[in-house]
Amino acid sequence: AQSVTQLGSHVSVSEGALVLLRCNYSSSVPPYLFWYVQYPNQGLQLLLKYTTGATLVKGINGFEAEFKKSETSFHLTKPSAHMSDAAEYFCAVTNSGGSNYKLTFGKGTLLTVNP
Amino acid sequence: DGGITQSPKYLFRKEGQNVTLSCEQNLNHDAMYWYRQDPGQGLRLIYYSQIVNDFQKGDIAEGYSVSREKKESFPLTVTSAQKNPTAFYLCASSYRGRGDIQYFGAGTRLSVL
Repeated sequence: AQSVTQLGSHVSVSEGALVLLRCNYSSSVPPYLFWYVQYPNQGLQLLLKYTTGATLVKGINGFEAEFKKSETSFHLTKPSAHMSDAAEYFCAVTNSGGSNYKLTFGKGTLLTVNP
Repeated sequence: DGGITQSPKYLFRKEGQNVTLSCEQNLNHDAMYWYRQDPGQGLRLIYYSQIVNDFQKGDIAEGYSVSREKKESFPLTVTSAQKNPTAFYLCASSYRGRGDIQYFGAGTRLSVL
């Protein structure tokens, strides 16, 4: 079985500060990992994904995430927050093996950016 | 433009009524998915289909039904058996390869009158 834990349902930062959103996963086989962003009353948009290869993944809008197998983590970071980054962020995992293609989502982290 | 279209954007259901949410995609994706989103709960999978005329239950299928008669379309019916239908419903689609990105529609917000 696979699962995702996002630490912190709400994170608040000042504009220009570092953004760090935490994601830990559980998977019995090597995982594929995703970060999605959702703006109010909209669908989800992919920020970045990790499948294999380089463990530091760069995404859109200046976000990046690092896959750390030893820590079973895939934290999302951005060096300098912008007001437009205010949204809800979801981490998701799927297994790289077996017949299960399903994505399992975390419960989300709401990011607030203060001027 | 290629994408996923969900309609309607807002929907109201009366007691004992079945309602159907539409999802259409023109991305030529084989796989389609329905999720339910409640505040603080993330996304939970209702049903998914990897090919036409075939679909599987997700984690919370009770009270819902689907069909997949065309590659482009994957409608979701919320039946009267679903006692707590108020939620935001999201449709997604992807290619069938493992690790393929799921693309999402803009969602339908369902409320009970």
